[in-house]
Amino acid sequence: AQSVTQLGSHVSVSEGALVLLRCNYSSSVPPYLFWYVQYPNQGLQLLLKYTTGATLVKGINGFEAEFKKSETSFHLTKPSAHMSDAAEYFCAVSESDSWGKLQFGAGTQVVVTP
Amino acid sequence: EAQVTQNPRYLITVTGKKLTVTCSQNMNHEYMSWYRQDPGLGLRQIYYSMNVEVTDKGDVPEGYKVSRKEKRNFPLILESPSPNQTSLYFCASSLSSLGGGELFFGEGSRLTVL
Repeated sequence: AQSVTQLGSHVSVSEGALVLLRCNYSSSVPPYLFWYVQYPNQGLQLLLKYTTGATLVKGINGFEAEFKKSETSFHLTKPSAHMSDAAEYFCAVSESDSWGKLQFGAGTQVVVTP
Repeated sequence: EAQVTQNPRYLITVTGKKLTVTCSQNMNHEYMSWYRQDPGLGLRQIYYSMNVEVTDKGDVPEGYKVSRKEKRNFPLILESPSPNQTSLYFCASSLSSLGGGELFFGEGSRLTVL
């Protein structure tokens, strides 16, 4: 069975600084990996995903993530934080041979300071 | 407008009183799923459905039932709610029948069981 760990439940970044959110997963088969964002009082929306192919994936709002199989990681980055990036971010994994079962991490709350 | 609609959005009930949270999507998606979100635990999958009449357990199915009689609807039933089912519930759907597809989330249903 797959699992996912997000390091750091809260991250504070200055406006304009690098955003780095860490996600490590375990999976016995090739994984599908996702990052979702949740703004206050809303549902989640997809930032980006990795299924196959290029290991560096670009998403919306300037975010990108790199799938590193050797490190079982899928860290999310954005070069320059904006105030509007304040939200909760969730990493998720499913296994390619049983993709219906999707496992989310505990989430990382991002605070952006002026 | 493409959307996933959940009702009710807010509900306070008492222990043992059966309730149903409805979920409907207008995107002709095959895959639908229910999650509960609790602080510090992220989202945990309750049940999912790959297609009409096909449902399967997620990580926390105890105390819940689902049915998928029509493609667009996927109601979540709590036969005898208990206080530990107090949570924020999300329904989601996806078009992809091959895995790795984007999940579209409803706005959530906040349930309190006294």
